[in-house]
Amino acid sequence: GAVVSQHPSRVICKSGTSVKIECRSLDFQATTMFWYRQFPKKSLMLMATSNEGSKATYEQGVEKDKFLINHASLTLSTLTVTSAHPEDSSFYICSATPPWRGPYEQYFGPGTRLTVT
Amino acid sequence: GENVEQHPSTLSVQEGDSAVIKCTYSDSASNYFPWYKQELGKRPQLIIDIRSNVGEKKDQRIAVTLNKTAKHFSLHITETQPEDSAVYFCAARATTTGGYQKVTFGTGTKLQVIP
Repeated sequence: GAVVSQHPSRVICKSGTSVKIECRSLDFQATTMFWYRQFPKKSLMLMATSNEGSKATYEQGVEKDKFLINHASLTLSTLTVTSAHPEDSSFYICSATPPWRGPYEQYFGPGTRLTVT
Repeated sequence: GENVEQHPSTLSVQEGDSAVIKCTYSDSASNYFPWYKQELGKRPQLIIDIRSNVGEKKDQRIAVTLNKTAKHFSLHITETQPEDSAVYFCAARATTTGGYQKVTFGTGTKLQVIP
């Protein structure tokens, strides 16, 4: 149990275009999902907390208008990188906590590698 | 906000030896401390965790200790094996003033177990 998937696993886009990344909880409902960004050989940086049915909570320094988060259902959260630039190239990972694991444990998706050319 | 520091950044040990990774945190409100293992190109996997009401927890070759007073916690891996080679992240979780849970990660330790 506790499977979190992401799609796509890799995406290459041109500068100025927008890219949507999906995060799904496959076998549980997640009222909250988290979006992280990871640079090569670096740690995970929390970008935002995605709440089903309400606005996402963004971390300081993360542009809300650039990284649009929509948590439309209890099993799906999407991150849209708008007007992407090469500096947005990174590894984006989502996570969620299954209800039977209490309020603490996070299960991570496999990540999406975004390359902006 | 929370600040989590992790040391060392790289660690090489001989197979069979022990490895210790240390983390400190700044927010006394943090109450949950997970450790993740991330192999190259893969997702972080939770390997062990400890809550603030416990001082030590062990799971086979892996143990974690927590000193709330000093605000530091450590990961101990005994009898290391080559498959233990990976990047390990510590993390601290607290409830923010906004009322939501936030996890702050350490900077990671690249562990290499030499056969």
